[in-house]
Amino acid sequence: DGGITQSPKYLFRKEGQNVTLSCEQNLNHDAMYWYRQDPGQGLRLIYYSQIVNDFQKGDIAEGYSVSREKKESFPLTVTSAQKNPTAFYLCASSPGTGSSYEQYFGPGTRLTVT
Amino acid sequence: SQQGEEDPQALSIQEGENATMNCSYKTSINNLQWYRQNSGRGLVHLILIRSNEREKHSGRLRVTLDTSKKSSSLLITASRAADTASYFCATDATGGFKTIFGAGTRLFVKA
Repeated sequence: DGGITQSPKYLFRKEGQNVTLSCEQNLNHDAMYWYRQDPGQGLRLIYYSQIVNDFQKGDIAEGYSVSREKKESFPLTVTSAQKNPTAFYLCASSPGTGSSYEQYFGPGTRLTVT
Repeated sequence: SQQGEEDPQALSIQEGENATMNCSYKTSINNLQWYRQNSGRGLVHLILIRSNEREKHSGRLRVTLDTSKKSSSLLITASRAADTASYFCATDATGGFKTIFGAGTRLFVKA
């Protein structure tokens, strides 16, 4: 059963703690992405990776970090430096980068920081 | 770095009616995509239209692209309650490596 999974679905953390969101895909896609979505808003790109061991900052990378040690996995760490981390986080993958490729999305992780 | 902007922001219609939503963008594009998002879920790809295409169909969906006006429209015919969702357009960004999503149109189809 191919797809992209994110865990957990809901995550609660205290302010000042780092937290890591998981994203795994078995679609054999080279590219992976992390987006942030705030209520009633569109998606904003945090980081993207075109290939294993490579990643690039998106539009709102401050306070976040990623790694891409395996093709299937692209975890996102929300650090204590992120000023307003409460949001819905979406991971996606695609065969390549650019708008000619369809992106496949995971179900999302809703992070609440208090 | 907003590229696509959807209009209207929200749309409420009766089941069976057609729903039209629009997307305008600022700079030239290679491709434009439309996605659907059910509440609290991930996005699902609906259709991709290339800059040299003017219209594409997929089931009850019809997408048009007018590059001279830098705009696209998504038409859902004979809407169903299950079509209730947010719809996003997504376009190229400068450099071509990123896809930029608009803020979306929230469609509510009343049964």
